[in-house]
Amino acid sequence: AQSVAQPEDQVNVAEGNPLTVKCTYSVSGNPYLFWYVQYPNRGLQFLLKYITGDNLVKGSYGFEAEFNKSQTSFHLKKPSALVSDSALYFCAFRYGNNRLAFGKGNQVVVIP
Amino acid sequence: NAGVMQNPRHLVRRRGQEARLRCSPMKGHSHVYWYRQLPEEGLKFMVYLQKENIIDESGMPKERFSAEFPKEGPSILRIQQVVRGDSAAYFCASSPGGGSGANVLTFGAGSRLTVL
Repeated sequence: AQSVAQPEDQVNVAEGNPLTVKCTYSVSGNPYLFWYVQYPNRGLQFLLKYITGDNLVKGSYGFEAEFNKSQTSFHLKKPSALVSDSALYFCAFRYGNNRLAFGKGNQVVVIP
Repeated sequence: NAGVMQNPRHLVRRRGQEARLRCSPMKGHSHVYWYRQLPEEGLKFMVYLQKENIIDESGMPKERFSAEFPKEGPSILRIQQVVRGDSAAYFCASSPGGGSGANVLTFGAGSRLTVL
């Protein structure tokens, strides 16, 4: 079965340090991959997507992600984390007719 | 642009009652998706609809759950005879079309159902 995996439950990082949220995929063909963020009691907000082309994708709020086909990964990164980045982050892939399947999510805690 | 509007934001029901959750997609969007988020879990796809048409309901429980997206008005997710296990956040998303792989789903703020 196709899936994305987010192996860590929680990511703790000090403010100003680089932030990485990991995602690996098991998707047939050319994967369409997405990152979304969820703030407390809010809906999901789109951050970025990989469809094709450049493996380094830049998104909202200073986030970027690198598509790595050999490692089947699509890790989310930010060079310098802010306290306001504390949220739940979801990796997802597109399947069928424009449906998204999500990973279990990673809680990011940025420590002041 | 008001985005995807969901109401009510919070709904409390007793076991056996009915819950109706409404979703108005973004202006110009004709495709609606419903997802359910259980505590400590990710989002699970439930149903995908276009106006007056269910495209995919493979994620919907076979009983008690139904969804519609009429020609006029919002999409409705209906849960009959609710049980405690239905307590969750229900998110609606919309997109302008379902055919392009590049389409991004825009999510609403969710409706949180609590079953007593």
